[in-house]
Amino acid sequence: QQQVKQSPQSLIVQKGGISIINCAYENTAFDYFPWYQQFPGKGPALLIAIRPDVSEKKEGRFTISFNKSAKQFSLHIMDSQPGDSATYFCAAKIRNSGTYKYIFGTGTRLKVLA
Amino acid sequence: DAGVIQSPRHEVTEMGQEVTLRCKPISGHDYLFWYRQTMMRGLELLIYFNNNVPIDDSGMPEDRFSAKMPNASFSTLKIQPSEPRDSAVYFCASSFWTGVSTGELFFGEGSRLTVL
Repeated sequence: QQQVKQSPQSLIVQKGGISIINCAYENTAFDYFPWYQQFPGKGPALLIAIRPDVSEKKEGRFTISFNKSAKQFSLHIMDSQPGDSATYFCAAKIRNSGTYKYIFGTGTRLKVLA
Repeated sequence: DAGVIQSPRHEVTEMGQEVTLRCKPISGHDYLFWYRQTMMRGLELLIYFNNNVPIDDSGMPEDRFSAKMPNASFSTLKIQPSEPRDSAVYFCASSFWTGVSTGELFFGEGSRLTVL
């Protein structure tokens, strides 16, 4: 099953609050899990990523928590700011006949209120 | 580098017309991906190329969709005939993958297609 299920579809958070976006997968062949951030009118851009042998990765206000046994991973945005308002996609990488590809979730539209 | 360049940025056409979307990947990248973004389905992988060769086109929705990569610096996604349900934003992304690297995707700014 090459799907990545993402929730919630949309999220509204007050400035300074914590934003949490969740993703789940079934295929244990996935070997890398990035999050991409997309601003209106732009293409997605890599935000932060994690390997499955690590349970947590933090970069500034952004943290990925990874639970290999549950096949779940989440993005936490601490001290959320209006500038964080964007669409966030989780993704998973899988090798395919000597090549690779990324499967993306359905996206979460985050709005941070000033 | 200028990044991934897509054209046109916006396309409005009538049902039944042919649509051609274009992509210039980042120089030196050996992978090119075409994704379609909709509210309901998020980012769907349509097809990808490695060294100009199509590897996996299982995401192409119908025979009306076709993609080509005649050389390392150019790819097209064609829809013929177009239908209203094809309305979406189409993204091209390129990457360089060594087999051990992450193969980060670099996206263009997308082509917004509206089929009336």
